[in-house]
Amino acid sequence: GENVEQHPSTLSVQEGDSAVIKCTYSDSASNYFPWYKQELGKRPQLIIDIRSNVGEKKDQRIAVTLNKTAKHFSLHITETQPEDSAVYFCAASSGIGNEKLTFGTGTRLTIIP
Amino acid sequence: EAQVTQNPRYLITVTGKKLTVTCSQNMNHEYMSWYRQDPGLGLRQIYYSMNVEVTDKGDVPEGYKVSRKEKRNFPLILESPSPNQTSLYFCASSLVRGLGEQYFGPGTRLTVT
Repeated sequence: GENVEQHPSTLSVQEGDSAVIKCTYSDSASNYFPWYKQELGKRPQLIIDIRSNVGEKKDQRIAVTLNKTAKHFSLHITETQPEDSAVYFCAASSGIGNEKLTFGTGTRLTIIP
Repeated sequence: EAQVTQNPRYLITVTGKKLTVTCSQNMNHEYMSWYRQDPGLGLRQIYYSMNVEVTDKGDVPEGYKVSRKEKRNFPLILESPSPNQTSLYFCASSLVRGLGEQYFGPGTRLTVT
């Protein structure tokens, strides 16, 4: 089955700086890669996603890049703000009909004011 | 309001006492899934359902059962809970399989003593 590795497990950055979280996946058939944000005590919520026919996608301060050859994808957050502090999960969708979603182990991002 | 609901939100029980965690969505989604979240392990898929009467195992199905008799409901059943099933459980739904945003419920914190 699919295996998703995520690094780093914790990340602290100064407010205003950029943050990068990286994930690798094992199943070359995976073709959908979402990122979820989970604030303390809350449910995970989708912040951005990318499909395998696209190399990069941006949404304001958030961007995701995908390298299919190397089987890795990354989340980039620019101009970080205190409200960006949360746990971020990457995931990869696999299975015959993309029915399975495998998550990484999460990155706790702390923005230092 | 479009939402996924879970009940109960908190449950403390004893080893071997059967329990059911309910999940309901009002978005007419075909796909529903159960995850457990444990520190350092991220979100792991327990079972998923592509539609009514169609269910399949995720990555950690041992000790759990599910059923999908109606499109809106997807209960998680623990027939004989054990302490290693102490965890935070999330139900999620999406319009199409694992593609697209999965909407998560608020979570159920289960403690088995």
